Amino acid sequence: AQSVAQPEDQVNVAEGNPLTVKCTYSVSGNPYLFWYVQYPNRGLQFLLKYITGDNLVKGSYGFEAEFNKSQTSFHLKKPSALVSDSALYFCAVRDWEDSSYKLIFGSGTRLLVRP
Amino acid sequence: NAGVTQTPKFQVLKTGQSMTLQCAQDMNHEYMSWYRQDPGMGLRLIHYSVGAGITDQGEVPNGYNVSRSTTEDFPLRLLSAAPSQTSVYFCASSSPVTSGRTMYTGELFFGEGSRLTVL
Repeated sequence: AQSVAQPEDQVNVAEGNPLTVKCTYSVSGNPYLFWYVQYPNRGLQFLLKYITGDNLVKGSYGFEAEFNKSQTSFHLKKPSALVSDSALYFCAVRDWEDSSYKLIFGSGTRLLVRP
Repeated sequence: NAGVTQTPKFQVLKTGQSMTLQCAQDMNHEYMSWYRQDPGMGLRLIHYSVGAGITDQGEVPNGYNVSRSTTEDFPLRLLSAAPSQTSVYFCASSSPVTSGRTMYTGELFFGEGSRLTVL
């Protein structure tokens, strides 16, 4: 079965420090991967995606993600965290087995950046 | 540019009542979908549509109906509300993207969400 896992419920980091939010996946076809962010009482917003090409993908708000095929991971990173980055982050993968239109979402990781 | 608009934002129902969550998008997106978000479970797909007149089931379709009579609108109907349907519901839309010979859903645009409580 295809799946995506976010092993950490919460990540705490001090402002100005680098941050990493982890995501691992399991798919039967090419891994099309996405990161979304959800601010309090808002809908999800697209951050970045990996379809093919460079393993380091750059996205919105200074975020980037590193695709690692051997480790089946797609970790979200930012060199210097801001308090305003505090939010809920979701990793998602295309569902190849059922429909090319479906995304499977992880359970989410809450990022808390302290001043 | 409104994007994806969901109404109502909040709703309280009694068990057995029916209601419709409305979703409209003004981006001419072919693909529309409904998700529910529950603590610790991420987002789960309820139903989706790849164009007017075409709908299909997602992971958790039971207790919900959808229709897609126009490109813009994709309402979600709860036929007989149950406490297990207490959740936050999100509508999302996108345009298809072609990579080689493969077509897949592109970036999803989400509405602000509808918080439903069933007593």
